[in-house]
Amino acid sequence: DAGITQSPRHKVTETGTPVTLRCHQTENHRYMYWYRQDPGHGLRLIHYSYGVKDTDKGEVSDGYSVSRSKTEDFLLTLESATSSQTSVYFCAISESRGSSDTQYFGPGTRLTVL
Amino acid sequence: AQTVTQSQPEMSVQEAETVTLSCTYDTSESNYYLFWYKQPPSRQMILVIRQEAYKQQNATENRFSVNFQKAAKSFSLKISDSQLGDTAMYFCAFMGTGANSKLTFGKGITLSVRP
Repeated sequence: DAGITQSPRHKVTETGTPVTLRCHQTENHRYMYWYRQDPGHGLRLIHYSYGVKDTDKGEVSDGYSVSRSKTEDFLLTLESATSSQTSVYFCAISESRGSSDTQYFGPGTRLTVL
Repeated sequence: AQTVTQSQPEMSVQEAETVTLSCTYDTSESNYYLFWYKQPPSRQMILVIRQEAYKQQNATENRFSVNFQKAAKSFSLKISDSQLGDTAMYFCAFMGTGANSKLTFGKGITLSVRP
């Protein structure tokens, strides 16, 4: 199993509150990704990183920011949480982007915004 | 933009029987990768199988195999000798090979294996 952990695993927060989710990997992989999973939508890419301090937007990036100060950590921040951001969030890693590299996923974080 | 379609929201199969999950995709690229991921009730996303579009041979991993029809843009997953532990949601996913390619998922199908 890929060495990926996410914290917290569950969180309940209130609308307007800032929230930070953490993804930590022990594989030294270059690429890291944040997805959200909602019923009827599969997984959708929020942001990704291709190296320390190098990040880019995915298809559903509004309301989210990310940071990567170390290879092993990728943080997802909701500056002011809204109920529409209630979801399950997955982190994934790959050695490189596209081509033949498979993405491996963390265990997920269930976030509820009341 | 690429799209991935899983038109069957739910399926059920008797233990030890064979089941096929359907997936179609749309792309203008000639080279790409296709994946099936399994998500059991634990919520963990687990890679089941991967197919490279330039390979004509269908990928196989133990009881799991694919039927890849490139011209028809179809990528179905066959599970043989179904086991209770196969009960899960299954996602089909597509990835191109360009610099800006991303993993695009279908909406998933819930498979239940009956004892």
